[in-house]
This record gives sequence, C-alpha cells and structure tokens, in this order.
Amino acid sequence: GENVEQHPSTLSVQEGDSAVIKCTYSDSASNYFPWYKQELGKRPQLIIDIRSNVGEKKDQRIAVTLNKTAKHFSLHITETQPEDSAVYFCAAMYSGGGADGLTFGKGTHLIIQP
Amino acid sequence: DGGITQSPKYLFRKEGQNVTLSCEQNLNHDAMYWYRQDPGQGLRLIYYSQIVNDFQKGDIAEGYSVSREKKESFPLTVTSAQKNPTAFYLCASSARPTGEETQYFGPGTRLLVL
Repeated sequence: GENVEQHPSTLSVQEGDSAVIKCTYSDSASNYFPWYKQELGKRPQLIIDIRSNVGEKKDQRIAVTLNKTAKHFSLHITETQPEDSAVYFCAAMYSGGGADGLTFGKGTHLIIQP
Repeated sequence: DGGITQSPKYLFRKEGQNVTLSCEQNLNHDAMYWYRQDPGQGLRLIYYSQIVNDFQKGDIAEGYSVSREKKESFPLTVTSAQKNPTAFYLCASSARPTGEETQYFGPGTRLLVL
C-alpha cells in the first residue's frame, strides 16, 4: 500500500518569512495530493491540492509543487501570518475512478513567531 | 464541509461496551469515509463506502464495523474487540466515484475509555 512521509514534524518561522513542508510517497500510481490544515481540536480543512498532470499550483500565499519522478511534493507558504499557525497534513491517493481513501503523513506543526 | 455532521462530540466507552458514532451528510455525496486520528499522528483510514449497501475495509478495520443503509448516513461502531479505542474519529465524504475526489471532513467525535 501507499506510504507517505512528512518532514519536518515541527517548523518554527518568523512572521513574514516563508515556510516549506515536504512529503514523499511510495506508490507511483498515486495521482492526487491534497494538503489539509488542522487547528487544535478542529476538523482538517483542505487548503490546496494538486493532480499528477501538473507540476505546480498556486493560490495566493500558498503553493504546492510536485515531482513525480522523485515521488515528492511540497507545500510553500509565503509571507506567513499568525493565523497560519496550525498542523498541516499532506496526503496521497490513486484517483482512478473509485472512492479510495487517502493516506496521510504524520503532520507538521507550524509555529509562526511574532 | 459544513454539510457533514458528527455526533456526539464526546463519547465515553466502558470496558466491553460497543459504541456507535454517527455521521450524516447533506452534500449528496456517494462516497463516505471514516478515519482515526491519534495524538501527534496523521489520519488513518478505517472504512470507506462508495455506494449504499457497499463498503470496504481500510488500513485499520479490525475492531470496527460500519453500515451504509442510506446515502446520507455512515455510522461507525467501535466494538469491544478494539482494545485501544481512545482517539479522535473523523468522518468525511466526497463526490467520488462520479465526481471530484476532494474529501470534506466532519467536526469529529472524541472517544474516551472509562
């Protein structure tokens, strides 16, 4: 089955700086890669996703890059703000027409220092 | 994701007791999922269903059971066979198999063992 590794487990950055979180996956058939943000005690919320037919996707201060050859993808947050503090999860799945579940990384606790 | 509800918010289980967690969605989604989240861990897939009266085991199905009698509902039963049930349980739904693969999460149920 799929295995997703996520690094780092904790990331502390100064407000206004950029943050990068990296994930690797094992199953070359995986073709859908979402990122979720989870605040303490709350539900995960989708912030951005990417499919394997593109290498990069941006949405305002958030971007995701995908390297299919190396089987890794990264989340980039620019101009970080206090409200960006949360736990971020990457995930992967093979989206082939069925309804398979996601395989998640273990999460990165992002801390924005004022 | 506001169209997915879970109840109760907190649930206490006694030794040897079966308990059932409720998940309802009004998004007209065919696919529904159950995940388990342990502290400091990512989400792990318990069961999923892509159509009424059909469901498949995920990565950690032992000690759990589900039913899918209605499109809107996907209850999860934590049986006495699950020896370490304390966790945060999250239900999700998506428009698969016919629509997009994006999964939306409910607010979760926190299960504690007395």
